[in-house]
Amino acid sequence: QITLKESGPTLVKPTQTLTLTCTFSGFSLSTSGVGVGWIRQPPGKALEWLALIYWDDDKRYSPSLKSRLTITKDTSKNQVVLTMTNMDPVDTATYYCAHVEQKKSLWDYWGQGTLVTVSS
Amino acid sequence: QSVLTQPPSASGTPGQRVTISCSGSSSNIGSNYVYWYQQLPGTAPKLLIYRNNQRPSGVPDRFSGSKSGTSASLAISGLRSEDEADYYCAAWDDSLSAYVVFGGGTKLTVL
Repeated sequence: QITLKESGPTLVKPTQTLTLTCTFSGFSLSTSGVGVGWIRQPPGKALEWLALIYWDDDKRYSPSLKSRLTITKDTSKNQVVLTMTNMDPVDTATYYCAHVEQKKSLWDYWGQGTLVTVSS
Repeated sequence: QSVLTQPPSASGTPGQRVTISCSGSSSNIGSNYVYWYQQLPGTAPKLLIYRNNQRPSGVPDRFSGSKSGTSASLAISGLRSEDEADYYCAAWDDSLSAYVVFGGGTKLTVL
């Protein structure tokens, strides 16, 4: 079965760079169509899409956050890494990674999420 | 402010039928599939409806989705207490370089 799990720091300071890793199993990012993306949710607020990477290294980013985001994949390790620069307290949120089965489809399997707090 | 518009709240009594709307535009709902997610308190979102009206295996047929033009709806019939959750719609948006948009979420309360 497909599982995903997010890992990374729980606390970062303002202006620092956040690096999150999504480690998955049950599928391969070398399979045609497959993708892994990141979505976040500030406490008590709505879901917000961040980035998505496909098996062919096609990358998509949220237009409002594109300048701060980088998404990469390591197919051999079954991992996807998201970096977000210049963190601010408003970036405090639960960050989820999730699987998509083909281009222009959306998330069918989600990780449990990891809470990242931005504070000095 | 979310690109897709949902009512912030909805409610119903057990056994009732409730609908949640999701309004968008020609660049998102009007030209792409709509997905619906259920988020129970303290948990990750779960896929409820994909490609406008398809249910993943394991999702009860009490949940149904529909789409017309630039709007979509999620209907829940035979409302149960365990349906109390937040519900989100989502779709691709073909403006700019294509990106994903979510609704602001609807908090469903079972009275």
